[in-house]
Amino acid sequence: QSVLTQPPSASGTPGQRVTISCSGSTSNIGTNNVYWYQQLPGTAPKLLIYRNNQRPSGVPDRFSGSKSGTSASLAISGLRSEDEADYYCSAWDDSLSDWVFGGGTKLTVL
Amino acid sequence: QITLKESGPTLVKPTQTLTLTCTFSGFSFSTSGVAVGWIRQPPGKALEWLGLIYGDGDKRYSPSLKSRLTITKDTSKDQVVLTMANMDPVDTATYYCAHRGVINGDAFDIWGQGTMVTVSS
Repeated sequence: QSVLTQPPSASGTPGQRVTISCSGSTSNIGTNNVYWYQQLPGTAPKLLIYRNNQRPSGVPDRFSGSKSGTSASLAISGLRSEDEADYYCSAWDDSLSDWVFGGGTKLTVL
Repeated sequence: QITLKESGPTLVKPTQTLTLTCTFSGFSFSTSGVAVGWIRQPPGKALEWLGLIYGDGDKRYSPSLKSRLTITKDTSKDQVVLTMANMDPVDTATYYCAHRGVINGDAFDIWGQGTMVTVSS
């Protein structure tokens, strides 16, 4: 059971906008920054969003992050087939003194 | 260009100690705030943070695994070593090392390719 809760799956058609949620608590998302990672099949995770809504260099602006209270969201607009991957949220948890991850969301592009 | 690569055994027996090496390039460990972390992922499951080490030698460990973990660095070789004692089949996973720096907001921003470790007798 992951400390951060994500839906196990999400889907959309090419060109659509999809949103993936990440629910936590006051000790993690409520207090600290949220990070999002993309993991393409058979590869290592790749940083997608840092500090809730910042994109590293090279990440398309189709990807955006937001945070409100103890929840965060990753939005992907203009969905493409190459976006099919697992997505993980992460944050530091002050109570656990631990970096915690969500259980991951498998995004399928129909 | 920052790169990291994990190396070590692919198979260990239960109760043995696992030793993995992360060899990195493209960054200086002496830069303030830079760290190398370890994260693992059991087959088909989520990511789990294990620990990290800063360039000044400061270390942080996941509380649930702290008693079994040791992370050290060899700055002269640009390497970070993870040792995990008393391995169990549930520790079967892909183990990743990752760079953590200030440019991307203290995120684990560059990851190694990972190394799969199976624990079996």
